[in-house]
Amino acid sequence: AQTVTQSQPEMSVQEAETVTLSCTYDTSENNYYLFWYKQPPSRQMILVIRQEAYKQQNATENRFSVNFQKAAKSFSLKISDSQLGDTAMYFCAFMKVRAQKLVFGQGTRLTINP
Amino acid sequence: NAGVTQTPKFQVLKTGQSMTLQCAQDMNHNSMYWYRQDPGMGLRLIYYSASEGTTDKGEVPNGYNVSRLNKREFSLRLESAAPSQTSVYFCASAPLDGSLSNEQFFGPGTRLTVL
Repeated sequence: AQTVTQSQPEMSVQEAETVTLSCTYDTSENNYYLFWYKQPPSRQMILVIRQEAYKQQNATENRFSVNFQKAAKSFSLKISDSQLGDTAMYFCAFMKVRAQKLVFGQGTRLTINP
Repeated sequence: NAGVTQTPKFQVLKTGQSMTLQCAQDMNHNSMYWYRQDPGMGLRLIYYSASEGTTDKGEVPNGYNVSRLNKREFSLRLESAAPSQTSVYFCASAPLDGSLSNEQFFGPGTRLTVL
């Protein structure tokens, strides 16, 4: 069974700083997807970024980028020029290709301070 | 498009009471899911439905039943609520159309408290 671990329960940075959230996972699969979801205080789950394991290039979406290390089974999220609106819970998630189940990590509560 | 909608948004039950959480999506997605979110544990899959007429157990199915009423609707039923079922419940849907990516879209959640 796949497991996803987020070892940082809480993080706090100043506005405009760069922050990196960690995620490791355990799987015997070779092809899979990794996701970062954001959950602001409104509770709505919002997809931030997605990485296909067969792609060597790290995914980027504006200020959000990932550092995908397949051999190390590591998938960190970097937020550049952090903004107050980035304050949220962030969940790392794993899915096998064409599978139906997302496996989530425990989450990291990120606070951006003014 | 409303996306994924859930009702109710909040609910308080007494131990032993029953209730049904409703979920609907207007994106013509094939698959639908129910998750629960507890502090410090992320989201865990309760049940899912790959297509109309099919349902399968997820990680934590005990104490729950589901119905895939049609392609749009997927309900979650608690027959005899227990305090351990106090949680936030999320419904999600995904296209599952054979494409490689199977992004899931989430509803706003239902906060359920069982006293």
